[in-house]
Amino acid sequence: EAQVTQNPRYLITVTGKKLTVTCSQNMNHEYMSWYRQDPGLGLRQIYYSMNVEVTDKGDVPEGYKVSRKEKRNFPLILESPSPNQTSLYFCATKNDRVNTGELFFGEGSRLTVL
Amino acid sequence: AQSVTQLGSHVSVSEGALVLLRCNYSSSVPPYLFWYVQYPNQGLQLLLKYTSAATLVKGINGFEAEFKKSETSFHLTKPSAHMSDAAEYFCAVLYTGGFKTIFGAGTRLFVKA
Repeated sequence: EAQVTQNPRYLITVTGKKLTVTCSQNMNHEYMSWYRQDPGLGLRQIYYSMNVEVTDKGDVPEGYKVSRKEKRNFPLILESPSPNQTSLYFCATKNDRVNTGELFFGEGSRLTVL
Repeated sequence: AQSVTQLGSHVSVSEGALVLLRCNYSSSVPPYLFWYVQYPNQGLQLLLKYTSAATLVKGINGFEAEFKKSETSFHLTKPSAHMSDAAEYFCAVLYTGGFKTIFGAGTRLFVKA
């Protein structure tokens, strides 16, 4: 079954405590992306990756890092989380060999930073 | 700047009534257009997409959307709402030659019994 798997699904942490949200896909897609969802703002792209070792900033990259060492994994790293990073995070992949391709999403990771 | 506008952050309809969720995009160049649905505690899933083949697009669960270039719109409709349609709906745009999907702010649909 085609899947995008995120972990953890829920996390409560404190300001400044580094955390990583993992994302793994089994669809062999080259394109992967992270979004955050906030009420009234829809989904905003944080970072994306077109291929292994190729990453680029999205619209709201401040305070986040990513890495893409393997095709299937695209972790999101918060080096020093702050309360304004409390949000719902989604990892998504796309078959970019199909120019009209839709995004496939994970189930989301709800992060609360106290 | 390229953008997607969804009119109405909340829409409430009675069960059996017509559902109409509005979406407008900001380019005169026909892009690729999508509607995604998000059920509670789940990720987004594709409802339907427009890729220039036909202006009226049918999706899952009885939803359809019509691309109108002159109005730069891609409104989502369903003739008869079901309780199970209660969810948040996102319109999204992928511009030709681009690789970033831009999302609207979302519309939460409530269905009353």
